[in-house]
Amino acid sequence: DAGVIQSPRHEVTEMGQEVTLRCKPISGHDYLFWYRQTMMRGLELLIYFNNNVPIDDSGMPEDRFSAKMPNASFSTLKIQPSEPRDSAVYFCASRPTGGRRGAFFGQGTRLTVV
Amino acid sequence: KQEVTQIPAALSVPEGENLVLNCSFTDSAIYNLQWFRQDPGKGLTSLLLIQSSQREQTSGRLNASLDKSSGRSTLYIAASQPGDSATYLCAVRSQGGSEKLVFGKGTKLTVNP
Repeated sequence: DAGVIQSPRHEVTEMGQEVTLRCKPISGHDYLFWYRQTMMRGLELLIYFNNNVPIDDSGMPEDRFSAKMPNASFSTLKIQPSEPRDSAVYFCASRPTGGRRGAFFGQGTRLTVV
Repeated sequence: KQEVTQIPAALSVPEGENLVLNCSFTDSAIYNLQWFRQDPGKGLTSLLLIQSSQREQTSGRLNASLDKSSGRSTLYIAASQPGDSATYLCAVRSQGGSEKLVFGKGTKLTVNP
């Protein structure tokens, strides 16, 4: 298995632009998570899905952030409009129900908003 | 609210040394605890996962222990190697049905040849 695949790996955008981050979870995993990592706050959960349904989005910082999972093999995290304080590394992770090994993380997308 | 703390923030040791990384959490009602490794510019790699009913888990030169009552976990690395240099993160999943992992900020380990 190729693991959790995120794209792009790096994104540089100007303030005010829309940014879309993409994730392909591991096949057969029915939980998908979006995390954000910053130096100040470390890793924080933004939102997670179970069977494509958003379960907990309490970590989404503002209405500028939205996430979708239209099918079991694809999810997006969108920021519109982007701001410099959104600069961070965004990770996607997935795991199966009852997974005894915990979550598997993607390589992350490093977002820089200038 | 669960909070996870890792001390020290950074650690530098000579090759071959045995070492211990510490993780503490404020709410003992946990479902499991997981140790991850993160290399610069890379994602997280799961090292060990300890269920709340377990006291320790071992994988190769790594041993993780869990003491729920004191809110602590340790990651023991035996005979450290330069390739062990990375940031080690501890994450806790609480009881109550949430799938959320609460992470510590990590310990950055450097093993010098």
